[in-house]
Amino acid sequence: GQNIDQPTEMTATEGAIVQINCTYQTSGFNGLFWYQQHAGEAPTFLSYNVLDGLEEKGRFSSFLSRSKGYSYLLLKELQMKDSASYLCAALYGQNFVFGPGTRLSVLP
Amino acid sequence: DAGVIQSPRHEVTEMGQEVTLRCKPISGHNSLFWYRQTMMRGLELLIYFNNNVPIDDSGMPEDRFSAKMPNASFSTLKIQPSEPRDSAVYFCASSFSWTNEKLFFGSGTQLSVL
Repeated sequence: GQNIDQPTEMTATEGAIVQINCTYQTSGFNGLFWYQQHAGEAPTFLSYNVLDGLEEKGRFSSFLSRSKGYSYLLLKELQMKDSASYLCAALYGQNFVFGPGTRLSVLP
Repeated sequence: DAGVIQSPRHEVTEMGQEVTLRCKPISGHNSLFWYRQTMMRGLELLIYFNNNVPIDDSGMPEDRFSAKMPNASFSTLKIQPSEPRDSAVYFCASSFSWTNEKLFFGSGTQLSVL
């Protein structure tokens, strides 16, 4: 199988920085996506990495190391509205495999 | 664009009944995916289509589940007969192509089988 691993829950303080890690199996890997999902809503796209390195998009950045099968999502200047689940998804061929999601709680 | 449209938003049915979920992808997208999300198993791919053709249905739990895409603007996921363990949120998603393109998700259908 293509197991995707992420921490189940994380807690951080408003204004802080948080890093959410994701590991995946490298065989057949084509790219790595991050999605945000607020409770009761659909997942929405945050970022995409296919090459090694850091992709920055405003307060959110995503990093990929293909050789290590590792990615992280970095959230800066946390806001209360960032409280959500963050889903890591690896693309294998034409198949998106989602991780279990990391539930992030941002505290005042 | 209205985005991916799913109906109904909520469905409550009794065990043994037939359930049909509907999805309209974003116009111009040629790949369509059906996912199921539960607390225990997370987001699982059931089936995906490219240009209206089913490409991989290995995620469909069993013969009680079937999916069709008769044209580029409509797909259905049918469960017959439904069982309580089918209770979940079912998402439809579409993308411009089946590789390296982000998915756009519909609002989902919350299915409860009593």
